Amino acid sequence: EAQVTQNPRYLITVTGKKLTVTCSQNMNHEYMSWYRQDPGLGLRQIYYSMNVEVTDKGDVPEGYKVSRKEKRNFPLILESPSPNQTSLYFCASSFQGVETQYFGPGTRLLVL
Amino acid sequence: SQQGEEDPQALSIQEGENATMNCSYKTSINNLQWYRQNSGRGLVHLILIRSNEREKHSGRLRVTLDTSKKSSSLLITASRAADTASYFCATDATIQGAQKLVFGQGTRLTINP
Repeated sequence: EAQVTQNPRYLITVTGKKLTVTCSQNMNHEYMSWYRQDPGLGLRQIYYSMNVEVTDKGDVPEGYKVSRKEKRNFPLILESPSPNQTSLYFCASSFQGVETQYFGPGTRLLVL
Repeated sequence: SQQGEEDPQALSIQEGENATMNCSYKTSINNLQWYRQNSGRGLVHLILIRSNEREKHSGRLRVTLDTSKKSSSLLITASRAADTASYFCATDATIQGAQKLVFGQGTRLTINP
């Protein structure tokens, strides 16, 4: 089944404790991206990747890191999480650029 | 930066009625997309309409695009309880040399049985 998977789906952590949210797609997509969704602010792009080893900042990259060592995986790293990073995070992928996006199920993160 | 804005923010109708949601944007686009999100879940792509298209259909969905008014509408006909969800429009834009997909705030649609 073609899909985008994210893990974990739910995470409670404390300020400053490094965490990684994994994202994997099995559709051989070139383009992958991370969004966060907050009430009243909609979906905002954090980082995106046009292909392996090619990543770039989205609209709200501060406090986040990404890597794209393999085509299928695009992990999101929070080196030192803070409470303002409490949010619902989505990974998405597409064949090419900003065409039809396939979204993962979301990761709900709470930083205490 | 460019933003799609949906109208209304919330819409509540009876099952069987038609639902219309609108989206406005600010700059020229190559395509406009509509997505559906069930509560707390990932977005699901519904339809993509290109800038040289005026109307597109998919099942009970009808999307129109008016590039002169920089607006689009999503019509869901014969609504069902399962259509209850939030609906987002997304427009592509080139911002500082990079192609981005910008989402609106969404319309929360409730279908009452």
